[in-house]
Amino acid sequence: NAGVTQTPKFQVLKTGQSMTLQCAQDMNHEYMSWYRQDPGMGLRLIHYSVGAGITDQGEVPNGYNVSRSTTEDFPLRLLSAAPSQTSVYFCASSYSGTEGLAYGYTFGSGTRLTVV
Amino acid sequence: QQQVKQSPQSLIVQKGGISIINCAYENTAFDYFPWYQQFPGKGPALLIAIRPDVSEKKEGRFTISFNKSAKQFSLHIMDSQPGDSATYFCAARHTGGGNKLTFGTGTQLKVEL
Repeated sequence: NAGVTQTPKFQVLKTGQSMTLQCAQDMNHEYMSWYRQDPGMGLRLIHYSVGAGITDQGEVPNGYNVSRSTTEDFPLRLLSAAPSQTSVYFCASSYSGTEGLAYGYTFGSGTRLTVV
Repeated sequence: QQQVKQSPQSLIVQKGGISIINCAYENTAFDYFPWYQQFPGKGPALLIAIRPDVSEKKEGRFTISFNKSAKQFSLHIMDSQPGDSATYFCAARHTGGGNKLTFGTGTQLKVEL
């Protein structure tokens, strides 16, 4: 049982390049989300999804796109990378319903992205 | 704006001591308050969580104290161990669906021998 899998683990991009961060979960969770972690700022929500075909913006959505065609996958696309997008990105999945185990909130191991 | 404020930014505790991390929130539209532990190079992992209608929750050496009227909650780590050295984040879950979390800025804990 892999949980939440993120690829790649590390990536260096040049300003203006585009790329997709991959996220897959095998827990059949309805909800998935993307956060970025920056020093001194905690984790901030970029986009989230409550089910296949349904996505919405979080706190810091500019410069990022998402889609969710299946329950398992939730890729994050950087359209035109900027140095301000240098960060560690975490994907998470969770379930609705009762609060058991804090809604099953599970994070991936992260993608460390550097934009030069 | 930071809806969940966390302090201190860093903390050094002697082995066997008590580590205390505090959080305060501004938005009342939160309905669940988890704490996460993060080791270098890893994703955050759930440590303990509490609902706002409960004033205290204890799991092993970890205790959350919650003061709804003051909009404050804290994590206490009893008998702190070197293996507890990590970054700790408080968080708050938004009502309204989606399991959206707002995180505090994190506390880097170091437990010394």
